Amino acid sequence: DAGITQSPRHKVTETGTPVTLRCHQTENHRYMYWYRQDPGHGLRLIHYSYGVKDTDKGEVSDGYSVSRSKTEDFLLTLESATSSQTSVYFCAISGDWNTGELFFGEGSRLTVL
Amino acid sequence: GQNIDQPTEMTATEGAIVQINCTYQTSGFNGLFWYQQHAGEAPTFLSYNVLDGLEEKGRFSSFLSRSKGYSYLLLKELQMKDSASYLCAVSRGGGYQKVTFGTGTKLQVIP
Repeated sequence: DAGITQSPRHKVTETGTPVTLRCHQTENHRYMYWYRQDPGHGLRLIHYSYGVKDTDKGEVSDGYSVSRSKTEDFLLTLESATSSQTSVYFCAISGDWNTGELFFGEGSRLTVL
Repeated sequence: GQNIDQPTEMTATEGAIVQINCTYQTSGFNGLFWYQQHAGEAPTFLSYNVLDGLEEKGRFSSFLSRSKGYSYLLLKELQMKDSASYLCAVSRGGGYQKVTFGTGTKLQVIP
């Protein structure tokens, strides 16, 4: 199994508060991704990174920011959480862009009240 | 834009064969993935098709027709543990991977 961990695994917060989710990998993979998964929508890409300090937006990036200061860590920040951001968030990594097989973390369940 | 369609739910009997279809419309197609996701868990990789044709991997096979924008996942000798969601995902490549997922097919295997 790929060495990828997410923290926290569960979080309940209130509307308007900042939230940061952390993804840590031990595989030295170049590409890292943040997805959210909601019923009826499947997995949707929020942001991705193709190297240290190199990030780009996915299809649902509004209200989210990311940072990658080290190869192993990719942070997802909700500056001011809203109820629409209640979701399960998955971090994923890939090392070979030709095959692009994604290895997923266990997921972080976020509830915004 | 992209559009990926797969059935929402399917039911099949233990020991039988089931085919899960996926159709897609996308620009810059690179390849097509299938992932398995058990309830409450992370998706795990099953297959990746780039060329037309059938690729077999144990009880699971995946087929791709690029000209038709069509793929299917074939599961043989179904087991109860195969009850899960199966996610079709399209890769658009372009220098670094961008993978877009369908909404998934929830498969229930019954005795």
